[in-house]
Amino acid sequence: GAGVSQSPSNKVTEKGKDVELRCDPISGHTALYWYRQSLGQGLEFLIYFQGNSAPDKSGLPSDRFSAERTGGSVSTLTIQRTQQEDSAVYLCASSYQGGGSGNEQFFGPGTRLTVL
Amino acid sequence: QKEVEQNSGPLSVPEGAIASLNCTYSDRGSQSFFWYRQYSGKSPELIMSIYSNGDKEDGRFTAQLNKASQYVSLLIRDSQPSDSATYLCAVTGVGFNKFYFGSGTKLNVKP
Repeated sequence: GAGVSQSPSNKVTEKGKDVELRCDPISGHTALYWYRQSLGQGLEFLIYFQGNSAPDKSGLPSDRFSAERTGGSVSTLTIQRTQQEDSAVYLCASSYQGGGSGNEQFFGPGTRLTVL
Repeated sequence: QKEVEQNSGPLSVPEGAIASLNCTYSDRGSQSFFWYRQYSGKSPELIMSIYSNGDKEDGRFTAQLNKASQYVSLLIRDSQPSDSATYLCAVTGVGFNKFYFGSGTKLNVKP
């Protein structure tokens, strides 16, 4: 079966431009997570979706970051007015139910964002 | 205080040896525990999940959980050079929804 997919795999943009990153979770997975990983660093939690709602947005670093999920499936992470410090790998993960046993997260390949 | 602590390493072991990776966590209410492997330039890959105290074995990997002492460990038997990677410990908080990741331990297995 298909795993988590993300697009684009690489994105180079100029400072001040907006970017959209897409995540397609594993079919049937109700929970979806976005993380950011800077070079040589650990995972930074950004946002969590259960279905289409986002009960935890605590990790979004500023109001330039937003995310939505439609139809309980695809999610889009939008970064407005990108800054050089936004350069990182953005990882998406999904899990079956987001709680209790059987809530293992499976990661997509990531989107490498470079802001010039 | 970080939610999940790991020694950053690098941990170097010879091929064929047992590699022992450790992780401590701060939330006593944590319920689910995971080990991920991340090769350089790749995304994390789930190796093991453990939910109750004790040991859980899967092939060359054994996860150990001790909730009273708030630590979880990963043993890799017969270590291979292909095991060289960064190993991430993850813990879910109360309510299960949020995952807390450690910063990872880099493992080098020398031929």
